[in-house]
Amino acid sequence: AQRVTQPEKLLSVFKGAPVELKCNYSYSGSPELFWYVQYSRQRLQLLLRHISRESIKGFTADLNKGETSFHLKKPFAQEEDSAMYYCALRENTGNQFYFGTGTSLTVIP
Amino acid sequence: KAGVTQTPRYLIKTRGQQVTLSCSPISGHRSVSWYQQTPGQGLQFLFEYFSETQRNKGNFPGRFSGRQFSNSRSEMNVSTLELGDSALYLCASRNLGGGEQYFGPGTRLTVT
Repeated sequence: AQRVTQPEKLLSVFKGAPVELKCNYSYSGSPELFWYVQYSRQRLQLLLRHISRESIKGFTADLNKGETSFHLKKPFAQEEDSAMYYCALRENTGNQFYFGTGTSLTVIP
Repeated sequence: KAGVTQTPRYLIKTRGQQVTLSCSPISGHRSVSWYQQTPGQGLQFLFEYFSETQRNKGNFPGRFSGRQFSNSRSEMNVSTLELGDSALYLCASRNLGGGEQYFGPGTRLTVT
């Protein structure tokens, strides 16, 4: 069963506009949620994790257990935000990671 | 600390051949996971090794196998290659105490 769903494969926004990348998960326990980012020609890297509750590069994500969502948001998109974004879940038992299929974000100048 | 390294970076093989990919984790990391990345499927989990033992396994056929050595380096083997195995294979390492995974640059496998 798909544990992490990213409904948008492609997302385009204009520079300065707000951006939201959606992530929904399916897990009965208390998972740990992450957002990873892959810029062009770079390796996949951690953007943020829900337990840190911090803002990285202007991005924030709140874990909504009621809606089982972990959407990534930024109020003002920048061109350098163009990248592939993956939402990931780590089980609290077994430690296995599950990744979504990714959302390719393009910020239009 | 040096990051996760993977060798080779690029491979071209023909159908029916086999291939071995190598991953060296960050020093001190004992967990190594392998993923297949394709444009249509995103990241799909292959398996995870910890202390030379396979801890988790994804939904891939038995042609995909792996192992981990005592120095935590890991290898992944794919036998009887098929065209659909063409992908970027990523390796990630982590400390089990922390949740974050650190990824290597990947090995781009092309099967012709």
